[in-house]
Amino acid sequence: QQQVKQSPQSLIVQKGGIPIINCAYENTAFDYFPWYQQFPGKGPALLIAIRPDVSEKKEGRFTISFNKSAKQFSLHIMDSQPGDSATYFCAARSGGNEKLTFGTGTRLTIIP
Amino acid sequence: SAVISQKPSRDICQRGTSLTIQCQVDSQVTMMFWYRQQPGQSLTLIATANQGSEATYESGFVIDKFPISRPNLTFSTLTVSNMSPEDSSIYLCSVEGKRGAPYNEQFFGPGTRLTVL
Repeated sequence: QQQVKQSPQSLIVQKGGIPIINCAYENTAFDYFPWYQQFPGKGPALLIAIRPDVSEKKEGRFTISFNKSAKQFSLHIMDSQPGDSATYFCAARSGGNEKLTFGTGTRLTIIP
Repeated sequence: SAVISQKPSRDICQRGTSLTIQCQVDSQVTMMFWYRQQPGQSLTLIATANQGSEATYESGFVIDKFPISRPNLTFSTLTVSNMSPEDSSIYLCSVEGKRGAPYNEQFFGPGTRLTVL
């Protein structure tokens, strides 16, 4: 019940396209859903996060869509660029438990 | 966001030895975490380190193998003891956002890449 399932495992998108990465969870106590971006040799960087009281959040070219009833959330990257090529991790946490539960990661490649 | 530094950034060690990894934060934080990330894999939480109390270890990780210190609100160390090649991994320090910040955002250090021969 603590798992967060992430898909796809890898994704190749042409520059300017909109890659979409999906995550699903079971634990209805989760109330914080961040996305992290990780470049090779670097630590994960917090990209954007959402709480379940909203269905969408945008920050620049990055958008989180959240479907509480389906227990799913997704990351969309608008006008994708080769510099967006990285591994993306979704995560979730419940208010009473400070530990983040991470998805398995998506390796995104944006081709010129 | 919190600025986190880790030392060393990488190391190559011999089997049976120990390595201590340092994590320094530029502001006082309540919660500090240590993660392990094996090549091409997701992040696995080793333990949560709170100042003034013993670290809380996740299933599969024990204090004898991964002793942790947390002497103050800006610093922590993780020791990988009696290393074997299976301990080769990236070790990441992570902290919650600054005290009083909303949503308790969690930030990661740059990682320590450990190779055990």
